[in-house]
Amino acid sequence: DTEVTQTPKHLVMGMTNKKSLKCEQHMGHRAMYWYKQKAKKPPELMFVYSYEKLSINESVPSRFSPECPNSSLLNLHLHALQPEDSALYLCASSQDGVGGETQYFGPGTRLLVL
Amino acid sequence: AQSVTQLGSHVSVSEGALVLLRCNYSSSVPPYLFWYVQYPNQGLQLLLKYTSAATLVKGINGFEAEFKKSETSFHLTKPSAHMSDAAEYFCAVRTGGGNKLTFGTGTQLKVEL
Repeated sequence: DTEVTQTPKHLVMGMTNKKSLKCEQHMGHRAMYWYKQKAKKPPELMFVYSYEKLSINESVPSRFSPECPNSSLLNLHLHALQPEDSALYLCASSQDGVGGETQYFGPGTRLLVL
Repeated sequence: AQSVTQLGSHVSVSEGALVLLRCNYSSSVPPYLFWYVQYPNQGLQLLLKYTSAATLVKGINGFEAEFKKSETSFHLTKPSAHMSDAAEYFCAVRTGGGNKLTFGTGTQLKVEL
């Protein structure tokens, strides 16, 4: 099973709302990632968790707050977002964050900020 | 710093024709290179990856890519295009420490009857 699941599929939120995106994998992977993808652009890395610890934060604004409650789950908490944050948010996982591994991507959550 | 360049943001081929999507890399060390495909409104799916085991890499759905160090290239090919191949294709390279991926700008493949 090489599936990464993400919920919800779509999310519309106002700039004052608080919402969370959820990602789950059951492949025994120990590295999990959040990417942001704008329309017609490549994915851009936001965060990497390795063994449930935040290992990379690509200078993402604090209105995005990641959380890794356990090795199978990854959340992205959203607060006071801006319309320019509207995008497809992709989660991925890989074996343990060492170079050369395959990253398996979920289907994404399409976020619209009004 | 490692990076990849994809030449041609849009490629159009006829069904049954050869598919060639170009990717050139820049790396001071032997790179890990990947090709991913993204269908509309979906996540990314790995087509194939190069990790120095063999220069000709075979992937899923009939795709393959050849690592050419002398040309710093990792072009993706498929002998015969199918309508279902229409999608966005991304070349990616591992950059820095850990497993950070940097993606090329993508190539939209259109397959015409």
